[in-house]
Amino acid sequence: GAVVSQHPSWVICKSGTSVKIECRSLDFQATTMFWYRQFPKQSLMLMATSNEGSKATYEQGVEKDKFLINHASLTLSTLTVTSAHPEDSSFYICSARDDRANYGYTFGSGTRLTVV
Amino acid sequence: GQSLEQPSEVTAVEGAIVQINCTYQTSGFYGLSWYQQHDGGAPTFLSYNGLDGLEETGRFSSFLSRSDSYGYLLLQELQMKDSASYFCAAPTGGGNKLTFGTGTQLKVEL
Repeated sequence: GAVVSQHPSWVICKSGTSVKIECRSLDFQATTMFWYRQFPKQSLMLMATSNEGSKATYEQGVEKDKFLINHASLTLSTLTVTSAHPEDSSFYICSARDDRANYGYTFGSGTRLTVV
Repeated sequence: GQSLEQPSEVTAVEGAIVQINCTYQTSGFYGLSWYQQHDGGAPTFLSYNGLDGLEETGRFSSFLSRSDSYGYLLLQELQMKDSASYFCAAPTGGGNKLTFGTGTQLKVEL
């Protein structure tokens, strides 16, 4: 089945620094990937849709200059949290849809970001 | 806007049957999925309903009523390992992106 690899699985960074999270589709090509954020005991909230070769589409209220998304190839999307602050501490999860499946969205294992 | 509402918490005993409900309001409907997520883990796909009725996959079944904008996940023969969060989800934005429900934390007790 479809596999999405995400790393790092966890990262601790200082306030003001930037952190890059990678999301790779390992056995399929993904023209579209999705980035979610999840706070403790809450649901997954879609942040943006990453489109290969074009600009990402951000959900309302998500700062595109703070959360930079790059989808340079059909198997890789990156999310960079710029000038991170403690309130950005969260669980970030990527997802990709395998077009070979009728309805399959596959998720990465997530990245726990802690900003100190 | 899009919304998928679920009860926040459900508790049941091992071996029992539990039903987790989901009521949704979406512009356009492209089916309802269910995901399981253990603490610190990724969501894993459980079931999908594109049409009304019951879909059965082992101990898990899912039901959909499009006329009522309602679905549920049924878990049978509960096991301790079923303790997790469960989310309904629906494709939105023209069917391209997946929006998650509010989530239900299931606690299975002895």
